[in-house]
Amino acid sequence: QKEVEQNSGPLSVPEGAIASLNCTYSDRGSQSFFWYRQYSGKSPELIMFIYSNGDKEDGRFTAQLNKASQYVSLLIRDSQPSDSATYLCAVMDSSYKLIFGSGTRLLVRP
Amino acid sequence: GAGVSQSPRYKVAKRGQDVALRCDPISGHVSLFWYQQALGQGPEFLTYFQNEAQLDKSGLPSDRFFAERPEGSVSTLKIQRTQQEDSAVYLCASSLAPRLADNEQFFGPGTRLTVL
Repeated sequence: QKEVEQNSGPLSVPEGAIASLNCTYSDRGSQSFFWYRQYSGKSPELIMFIYSNGDKEDGRFTAQLNKASQYVSLLIRDSQPSDSATYLCAVMDSSYKLIFGSGTRLLVRP
Repeated sequence: GAGVSQSPRYKVAKRGQDVALRCDPISGHVSLFWYQQALGQGPEFLTYFQNEAQLDKSGLPSDRFFAERPEGSVSTLKIQRTQQEDSAVYLCASSLAPRLADNEQFFGPGTRLTVL
């Protein structure tokens, strides 16, 4: 079992809808969680990080963390075609390295 | 700009050749990471430096892989006797400090290595 699991997708949503991306992790002691966006052929760029249980909102993005269930999710409201990309969930371990999932490909249909 | 830079952006090597990949982190960033990203996969950790000290090299796939950061700034990832399975994008990332508030990792554009 991989340490960080994501559905590979593609997740297809119409423009203006809410896209919901999910991620589970295996290390119960994990403290820091990150969502990166990666466009094809480009490097990952950080969208959000979350450390505490609950929701964290930043513009159209909301990260949700549930440590008891060991899952973290990313909601994208009012999805735009420019949001079409691969979304990588990452967990930081105790030695500061990021452990990534395989990513979920999101397609926003105009 | 002031971001992480990597060179070369693309490298084609014949099997058995040695290659060297360079990373220039953001100025003042203490931590530097190398990741390997295969097609369709997420990045996988290779090694981590804090200043010039290599604190974690647990992700290096074999003893053909070697990384250094002699002056705590620029880093070089060297792959000896390249094999086809080494073909991947090699990403470098840096962060300000290994503290919770400063540990956002900024990624460079990557070096795409193709081994023929």
